[in-house]
Amino acid sequence: DTVLTQSPALAVSPGERVTISCRASESVSTLMHWYQQKPGQQPKLLIYLASHLESGVPARFSGSGSGTDFTLTIDPVEADDTATYYCQQSWNDPYTFGAGTKLELK
Amino acid sequence: QVQLKESGPGLVQPSQTLSLTCTVSGFSLMDYSVHWVRQPPGKGLEWMGRMKYDGDTYYNSALKSRLSISRDTSKSQVFLKMNSLQTEDTAIYYCTRDPDNNHYFDYWGQGVMVTVSS
Repeated sequence: DTVLTQSPALAVSPGERVTISCRASESVSTLMHWYQQKPGQQPKLLIYLASHLESGVPARFSGSGSGTDFTLTIDPVEADDTATYYCQQSWNDPYTFGAGTKLELK
Repeated sequence: QVQLKESGPGLVQPSQTLSLTCTVSGFSLMDYSVHWVRQPPGKGLEWMGRMKYDGDTYYNSALKSRLSISRDTSKSQVFLKMNSLQTEDTAIYYCTRDPDNNHYFDYWGQGVMVTVSS
């Protein structure tokens, strides 16, 4: 299975720029997607196909990368962005998720 | 508007079979694939399998021997059945929509918590 590695946690101040990384154990082309999950809620799609912003998602969110290295950027970070962020690949079967990066605001 | 809603028992005994229903609205099961994803309490997400828009099914190899996904298009429902449940199957189970067959998920149900316990 394709393993996706994410940093476990980050802490930033409102207004700053934050990058959340996701590294795949093998190439996933650009079939990488990002979700935001707040406690008690279902995940929400933010970015699909590595860099495409989902409709309704603020332009503060952006994604980049291809192959094995991907990044989700939030600029500027707002208090409401406190959540866990998951990457997910759909190039290799089975589709897999990263373990999540918990973003906290200082 | 697009909606998905999971339903099923909250408690299942070990070794028994789990049966869940995903009822969708706002789109046709003959136009979009629906996937099942689960999340153990406090843990990450696991893709389980999918019902493709054409009726084909695909399963995570780790679950394939225990899992079955079917549908009733006339009722806009997708069904999940998984047998031989163990405590590690305790999780929130979500059904999700795949918007363009690239196997990401633009709409999610609220999820249903399933506890495996005697």
